Amino acid sequence: TQLLEQSPQFLSIQEGENLTVYCNSSSVFSSLQWYRQEPGEGPVLLVTVVTGGEVKKLKRLTFQFGDARKDSSLHITAAQTGDTGLYLCAQPSQGGSEKLVFGKGTKLTVNP
Amino acid sequence: DAGVIQSPRHEVTEMGQEVTLRCKPISGHNSLFWYRQTMMRGLELLIYFNNNVPIDDSGMPEDRFSAKMPNASFSTLKIQPSEPRDSAVYFCASSLLQLTEAFFGQGTRLTVV
Repeated sequence: TQLLEQSPQFLSIQEGENLTVYCNSSSVFSSLQWYRQEPGEGPVLLVTVVTGGEVKKLKRLTFQFGDARKDSSLHITAAQTGDTGLYLCAQPSQGGSEKLVFGKGTKLTVNP
Repeated sequence: DAGVIQSPRHEVTEMGQEVTLRCKPISGHNSLFWYRQTMMRGLELLIYFNNNVPIDDSGMPEDRFSAKMPNASFSTLKIQPSEPRDSAVYFCASSLLQLTEAFFGQGTRLTVV
């Protein structure tokens, strides 16, 4: 069974702090997507990583794809209250059925 | 484009009643997905369609759940009869190609009492 493990499950920090959340798979990723979901809304795509070792930056967010393509991290620098939300990673399912499998997410709260 | 549109936003129903959730995907997108989100299980894929054809319904929990996509601009997810354990937020998403960015609707929060 394909599993995506995200950690930590919950994270509460003060504005201005840095943080890192993780996504690990039981199998090699062909690609990985990161989404952010705000309360009362659907998830919104932040980035897609494809190549092992790849690093992508989106303003204060840095996404890294592990060399072996079995793990990924999201680092936020100087967190702001607007970063509050559920961060989800997703990968294509194995076995020929083309669908996205999501992790359970990291619920981030940034306090003022 | 207005994005993926779901209705209703909230639904409260009694156990045993039929519930129908509706979705209008983004025009031109040829893949449509129905997800269910709960605290315990996260975001689970129920079923997805490609070019209006159901491709994988292995995530549909029971025969009480059914989904249709009669045309490229409309899909429904029906639960009959509904049970309290069906309470969750149901999302519809669409994408231009399978495995590319999925655009989600705002979801339907279903409460079965």
